[in-house]
Amino acid sequence: RKEVEQDPGPFNVPEGATVAFNCTYSNSASQSFFWYRQDCRKEPKLLMSVYSSGNEDGRFTAQLNRASQYISLLIRDSKLSDSATYLCVVIGNAGGTSYGKLTFGQGTILTVHP
Amino acid sequence: DAGVTQSPTHLIKTRGQQVTLRCSPKSGHDTVSWYQQALGQGPQFIFQYYEEEERQRGNFPDRFSGHQFPNYSSELNVNALLLGDSALYLCASSLGPPDEQFFGPGTRLTVL
Repeated sequence: RKEVEQDPGPFNVPEGATVAFNCTYSNSASQSFFWYRQDCRKEPKLLMSVYSSGNEDGRFTAQLNRASQYISLLIRDSKLSDSATYLCVVIGNAGGTSYGKLTFGQGTILTVHP
Repeated sequence: DAGVTQSPTHLIKTRGQQVTLRCSPKSGHDTVSWYQQALGQGPQFIFQYYEEEERQRGNFPDRFSGHQFPNYSSELNVNALLLGDSALYLCASSLGPPDEQFFGPGTRLTVL
């Protein structure tokens, strides 16, 4: 089983749509969680951190469910510029073998069309 | 304030050759991590350097080695290149406990 699993998509949605991505992780001791965005042939860039209480940044909302080891990202009112690959990322706990390294999911491809 | 820089941007090698990739971290950062990203996949952790020592290592063979210099810059070396080593190699830097890592633009390696 992969440490971090995502539905690779692709997701094709019209402008203005709401789209949700899901991610599961296998290590229950994982400490930190993030969503990164990667444009075609570019480096990944941090989109937002994910907390158990949930967090929102404009049109983007991230949620963490530790009991189910599940992370989600919701994008409302999709824009053409949201087209990218969205990567779910997990960091292991301090003192563990995964501490400090980012473990990425495969990435979910989103295409927003006019 | 310069971000993470990597060189070269592109590289073509043949099987069996050796390659060295270079990374300069973001100003003020002391930790450098290297990742390999194959086409259509998420980045895979290779190793991480802090205080000039390898602190963490992923599931990569010994053909992959690295170094960190006193100025915190880093090199990734790959020996006896295989076709499967063709990928985008990403360097990320951070300060201390690396929760937030900043990525460089990557080096795209093609092995023929």
